[in-house]
Amino acid sequence: SQQGEEDPQALSIQEGENATMNCSYKTSINNLQWYRQNSGRGLVHLILIRSNEREKHSGRLRVTLDTSKKSSSLLITASRAADTASYFCATDDGGSNYKLTFGKGTLLTVNP
Amino acid sequence: NAGVMQNPRHLVRRRGQEARLRCSPMKGHSHVYWYRQLPEEGLKFMVYLQKENIIDESGMPKERFSAEFPKEGPSILRIQQVVRGDSAAYFCASSPIGQSTYNEQFFGPGTRLTVL
Repeated sequence: SQQGEEDPQALSIQEGENATMNCSYKTSINNLQWYRQNSGRGLVHLILIRSNEREKHSGRLRVTLDTSKKSSSLLITASRAADTASYFCATDDGGSNYKLTFGKGTLLTVNP
Repeated sequence: NAGVMQNPRHLVRRRGQEARLRCSPMKGHSHVYWYRQLPEEGLKFMVYLQKENIIDESGMPKERFSAEFPKEGPSILRIQQVVRGDSAAYFCASSPIGQSTYNEQFFGPGTRLTVL
């Protein structure tokens, strides 16, 4: 798999349900970040988790990081139709922390 | 607080023409990064610049592509003699600090380049 690869590729849920997306990576990292991209638009930064952190919360978002498994998950609770977007995880390579590598993303559709 | 500005938002060029993409970082940010997103793909790092310096251009194609971030004015990504394979969304990001263990990058809306 690629550095920063998300799964599933697509996820469709009903409003009010929780959505969980996963990200796997290969190399050591300093940080892992999650971004959202609405169709045809730019990226919005959601949350950054450092390699020495295991869990982080921001509003309805919960991110976990397991460096032993080189994986992260993004949980969106009580989803809304406005959460419909593509979600990307981005990792650095542990050395040059500015060189972010993105996966292909998870397309989340929240049905009203 | 204006975010990262990119222009134009959409650019159409014919094969062989030049494309110039501009990026103004967030106020107070002196580090700029360019990424390219091909259709159905994630973003790929191209180049990292500070004012008047190219720090890392390891993701840039060796030919036809160049980038600059002058002392005054926006950062410019220049693609000479464009080909159809250059059609993509080009995103600029900026950050207030460079190499550290914490590097949140703020992205602009992107420029969508279409080469006919």
